[in-house]
Amino acid sequence: DTGVSQDPRHKITKRGQNVTFRCDPISEHNRLYWYRQTLGQGPEFLTYFQNEAQLEKSRLLSDRFSAERPKGSFSTLEIQRTEQGDSAMYLCASSLGGVDTEAFFGQGTRLTVV
Amino acid sequence: QKEVEQNSGPLSVPEGAIASLNCTYSDRVSQSFFWYRQYSGKSPELIMSIYSNGDKEDGRFTAQLNKASQYVSLLIRDSQPSDSATYLCASPSGGYQKVTFGTGTKLQVIP
Repeated sequence: DTGVSQDPRHKITKRGQNVTFRCDPISEHNRLYWYRQTLGQGPEFLTYFQNEAQLEKSRLLSDRFSAERPKGSFSTLEIQRTEQGDSAMYLCASSLGGVDTEAFFGQGTRLTVV
Repeated sequence: QKEVEQNSGPLSVPEGAIASLNCTYSDRVSQSFFWYRQYSGKSPELIMSIYSNGDKEDGRFTAQLNKASQYVSLLIRDSQPSDSATYLCASPSGGYQKVTFGTGTKLQVIP
């Protein structure tokens, strides 16, 4: 399977716990995106990497969220001290370089904070 | 003003009809536009890309782009119940050209 891979697919955690999600992009893709999606809404941009460089982070993203892409390959998204409002689908997408290239999504990680 | 805007719907069409989905965008610099289909509980799936003014056809799908009016549309001919999904419009925008999505239009094809 050469598509975008996300792990885990589902995560249930207690409020206040930390969680970490992983995304493995399509191998030749150098752009990697993280989005969050809640019911009835489109994907909301969280952050974006070009290779290992984090180029942009949403102003709506609190300091509890951090993302890394240390070697320009896989990426992790960590949420510290989770809150019930963090419950959502977290989507990763990747694309080739160039502004006109399409982004392809992984299957997402559904987070439920109880 | 949101960078990409769509009517949330739902849009209901009878089976076999043409479904027309519309999207407007605010960034005049945007050069490329994408339509994604998302089934309930699943991740978005790319179905069409368009870069030039005019129409682009792929099977039952036609994307239309009008840069002067800053809108892009998706037509689905001979709509099928399996086309029932949320359709998301997206475009790179902003300084780093991140791909930005509309809220999506829910399409219901009635048998």
